[in-house]
Amino acid sequence: GDSVTQMEGPVTLSEEAFLTINCTYTATGYPSLFWYVQYPGEGLQLLLKATKADDKGSNKGFEATYRKETTSFHLEKGSVQVSDSAVYFCALSDLSGATNKLIFGTGTLLAVQP
Amino acid sequence: NAGVTQTPKFQVLKTGQSMTLQCAQDMNHEYMSWYRQDPGMGLRLIHYSVGAGITDQGEVPNGYNVSRSTTEDFPLRLLSAAPSQTSVYFCASSYSGRNYGYTFGSGTRLTVV
Repeated sequence: GDSVTQMEGPVTLSEEAFLTINCTYTATGYPSLFWYVQYPGEGLQLLLKATKADDKGSNKGFEATYRKETTSFHLEKGSVQVSDSAVYFCALSDLSGATNKLIFGTGTLLAVQP
Repeated sequence: NAGVTQTPKFQVLKTGQSMTLQCAQDMNHEYMSWYRQDPGMGLRLIHYSVGAGITDQGEVPNGYNVSRSTTEDFPLRLLSAAPSQTSVYFCASSYSGRNYGYTFGSGTRLTVV
């Protein structure tokens, strides 16, 4: 079945460093792809999305490009801040039925140090 | 503010007790779902609903029941709590269609002793 694989964390960076969190997927069709962020003690929030190949989603300085040829959707940010410390989840839309179920990766913890 | 409201935020149950986790949304979303989040396992789908009166099982439905009598509400019932159900539970909703992202509630942290 469809699945999402994220790099294991934690990822520890200094403030203003460049961030990449890898995400690859397995799907039989062309799913929509999402990144969610979870701050401590909170629910998940949609960070960005891309609905077709070569689309770039962006929000709050984060970007991710839907790469069909490498089945990837890596999250990047040019200069991280302490406030970016959170758990990041990659997800894809499940195309196996008529519903809009999402399949999530296991999450990557990002810790940004001042 | 529009969103997904979950109650309670914290709950401690004894093994064998039953309870209902409440979820309500005011965005007129057709789709609602319940996930549980456990360390190292990401989010696992328990049950979901594509509209009032329609529910279906997700990945880990055993020990849980749901119903959807209105568009707004989607309660999750634990029939007989077990320590394996200790987890953080999230309710999420969205418009129908695979391009829409979910709106999540803030979660219920449940401990079963």
